[in-house]
Amino acid sequence: ELKVEQNPLFLSMQEGKNYTIYCNYSTTSDRLYWYRQDPGKSLESLFVLLSNGAVKQEGRLMASLDTKARLSTLHITAAVHDLSATYFCAVANTGNQFYFGTGTSLTVIP
Amino acid sequence: DAGVTQSPTHLIKTRGQHVTLRCSPISGHKSVSWYQQVLGQGPQFIFQYYEKEERGRGNFPDRFSARQFPNYSSELNVNALLLGDSALYLCASSLAPGAMLQETQYFGPGTRLLVL
Repeated sequence: ELKVEQNPLFLSMQEGKNYTIYCNYSTTSDRLYWYRQDPGKSLESLFVLLSNGAVKQEGRLMASLDTKARLSTLHITAAVHDLSATYFCAVANTGNQFYFGTGTSLTVIP
Repeated sequence: DAGVTQSPTHLIKTRGQHVTLRCSPISGHKSVSWYQQVLGQGPQFIFQYYEKEERGRGNFPDRFSARQFPNYSSELNVNALLLGDSALYLCASSLAPGAMLQETQYFGPGTRLLVL
């Protein structure tokens, strides 16, 4: 079974600072996803990364994928309070079944 | 366009009871997956259905079952409820398993189940 690990589990950062969330997975996969979840809400799709070296950016968030290292990163630039949420990475197997990481709970402090 | 819908939004049951959760996928999506999210953890894959056939099953006991209907909506059934079944149950829809490499799953709002 695919194992997906994220770190850190909890992240408290000041507005304006940069930080990176890491996602490691155990077996080969051709797709990695990042989702955002606000408290009490469902999951919102952020990025789909398909190939080695893929980089995608949306606003202050940038995601990258290294399939050889089985590692994805979610980089936050100049954090703002609105980014406070829990971020999950997920890896899909060939049957399009998703395996999620433990999540990173991000709190941005004004 | 309507997204993925789930019902009910909240449910309280007692141990040993049975529960049925419902999901309607995005129009045009033929694949539905179910996930269990325990508080403080990531969603765990339970089932995937496509064209009314089970395409995948996660590591859950036989008390969990599901089905998909001709209109692609789906039900998740859980028998003999345990306290540990308390969780947010998420339904996700997609076009079809592996239809496109960049295919993503779109999640519904979830059903929050509390077992007392």
